[in-house]
Amino acid sequence: EIVLTQSPGTLSLSPGERATLSCRASQSITSNYLAWYQQKPGQAPRLLVYGASSRATGIPDRFSGSGSGTDFTLTINRLEPEDFAVYYCQQYGISPFTFGQGTRLEIK
Amino acid sequence: QVQLVQSGAEVKKPGASVKVSCKASGYTFTDYYMHWVRQAPGQGLEWMGWIKPNGDGTNYAQKFQGRVTMTRDTSITTDYMELSSLRSDDTAVYYCARLAIVGGTVYWGQGTLVTVSS
Repeated sequence: EIVLTQSPGTLSLSPGERATLSCRASQSITSNYLAWYQQKPGQAPRLLVYGASSRATGIPDRFSGSGSGTDFTLTINRLEPEDFAVYYCQQYGISPFTFGQGTRLEIK
Repeated sequence: QVQLVQSGAEVKKPGASVKVSCKASGYTFTDYYMHWVRQAPGQGLEWMGWIKPNGDGTNYAQKFQGRVTMTRDTSITTDYMELSSLRSDDTAVYYCARLAIVGGTVYWGQGTLVTVSS
């Protein structure tokens, strides 16, 4: 199975700053089938980015995804208070559709 | 609008089984796979498997092989996930999710908390 390793585990930033989250895969991801999700306590995950770089419906343009092959990045520009949450990457190219272990973005 | 409504919380004893339901509405049920994902308290997301649109095939993560059964009743647009031989580390929120990305959107149920405790 493809193992996704996210870094850092926790990221402490202030509103207005830029966040850079990394997701590294143990093997190349088919057709860049890599998604990013945001999850807040008590809620289901929310799709942010799919196909490595396409923003999901209704997602602000301060969220952007990039990367290919085995290295992917989620960038959040100008952090808003509501952006502090846990972020997961997921590959959906090959079963099992594994998730990374998550990056917690917390207010500094 | 698309909705996935799951059954309520369950408390089970070790060794028992649990069956969680997911009622779908707002779209053509037999056009989409349904996935199941779980999340233990304070932990990350774990993909469990999927069932084909017509219910004629399943694909389970190896970790759950032999303990999980995903079925669907297309007449009532409802999916089911049954997990047997429950252990304390199966305590988690279980989600159904339509993960096919159509129009830049996916859909998740609200989650069902399953607690395994003696």
